[in-house]
Amino acid sequence: DGGITQSPKYLFRKEGQNVTLSCEQNLNHDAMYWYRQDPGQGLRLIYYSQIVNDFQKGDIAEGYSVSREKKESFPLTVTSAQKNPTAFYLCASSIGPPSGLTYEQYFGPGTRLTVT
Amino acid sequence: GDSVTQMEGPVTLSEEAFLTINCTYTATGYPSLFWYVQYPGEGLQLLLKATKADDKGSNKGFEATYRKETTSFHLEKGSVQVSDSAVYFCALKRGYSTLTFGKGTMLLVSP
Repeated sequence: DGGITQSPKYLFRKEGQNVTLSCEQNLNHDAMYWYRQDPGQGLRLIYYSQIVNDFQKGDIAEGYSVSREKKESFPLTVTSAQKNPTAFYLCASSIGPPSGLTYEQYFGPGTRLTVT
Repeated sequence: GDSVTQMEGPVTLSEEAFLTINCTYTATGYPSLFWYVQYPGEGLQLLLKATKADDKGSNKGFEATYRKETTSFHLEKGSVQVSDSAVYFCALKRGYSTLTFGKGTMLLVSP
């Protein structure tokens, strides 16, 4: 089955530690995205990547970093510089770049990160 | 910049009631419009979309019409089921930009 895998589903960390969230897709999609979801605030774009070895900042990139060494993988690191990291993180992918007007994003099941 | 405004929830309905979730947008040009649904503890799934004015998107009994004159894309369903309980997100995409989401509207359907 094709799809997007995010692991783990729940993640707990102590304040001051960096943590990396995994996102893998076997849809052969070129573009991948990371969103943060907070109650009552909808989804906010953190980073996106249109091709391997390239990525762009979204609306709330501060305190986060990403890499795109393989087409299938787009891990997100939440660094200790992120002031309020506790949230639900969603990874998504699309068949083409954002320039495609009718493109659709497919979402993974999400990772709930709790930092105490 | 682009923005999407949805009615605040939760929307609470009895099974078989009629559903409307309002969505209006602000964007220049002619964006594509989407409705996504998120079931508890899961990611988002595309529910329906419309790419030009007067287009009607439909899926699983849900439908929404792209109204350019009122900059709206309201979601409707004639008879909701308990299994429709979820959070619904309206979103737009314009030109080379990525998706812009509304804040989501929670729907609770009771038997």
